Amino acid sequence: GIQVEQSPPDLILQEGANSTLRCNFSDSVNNLQWFHQNPWGQLINLFYIPSGTKQNGRLSATTVATERYSLLYISSSQTTDSGVYFCAVNTGFQKLVFGTGTRLLVSP
Amino acid sequence: DGGITQSPKYLFRKEGQNVTLSCEQNLNHDAMYWYRQDPGQGLRLIYYSQIVNDFQKGDIAEGYSVSREKKESFPLTVTSAQKNPTAFYLCASSIGGLAGAETQYFGPGTRLLVL
Repeated sequence: GIQVEQSPPDLILQEGANSTLRCNFSDSVNNLQWFHQNPWGQLINLFYIPSGTKQNGRLSATTVATERYSLLYISSSQTTDSGVYFCAVNTGFQKLVFGTGTRLLVSP
Repeated sequence: DGGITQSPKYLFRKEGQNVTLSCEQNLNHDAMYWYRQDPGQGLRLIYYSQIVNDFQKGDIAEGYSVSREKKESFPLTVTSAQKNPTAFYLCASSIGGLAGAETQYFGPGTRLLVL
């Protein structure tokens, strides 16, 4: 089955810093989503981005489908950005395959 | 307001007991999913349903059962055959009909602990 790898596994930032999270996947996909899991466990949709670039406030994402990777950019990070960021992909079946996540801690 | 609700928030199971986790959505979505998350891990698919009265096994279906009698409801039963049920369980839904190429939305989750 498809493999999804995320890097880095852990990231510590000072408030106000920028960061880039990476997701590599091993096969063609028809669905790629980025999620933020908050400290209470809620998974929050950030982007649905099987290809191209999208922006939402301080967050943006780019997926280069031909090279099988996606990047999530966080600018001017805030303490509320802390949590785990997951990339998940789908290859034409119903299930999403999740990476193991990037754990982000933003300190004041 | 629209969304996905899960109950209870915390659930305790005794050895040999079956327990049922509730998932309800009012988004009028056809497809619903159950995932399991272990500490420090990503999510793994237990079961999914693309339409009422139909459901399919995911990667880790052993020890679990589901039903889909109504469009808005997709309960998950953790049976006594599931030997390591302690985990965080997340329900999701999507519009459906696009072979997975659509956004999935998640509920707040249920934490299951074995006593």
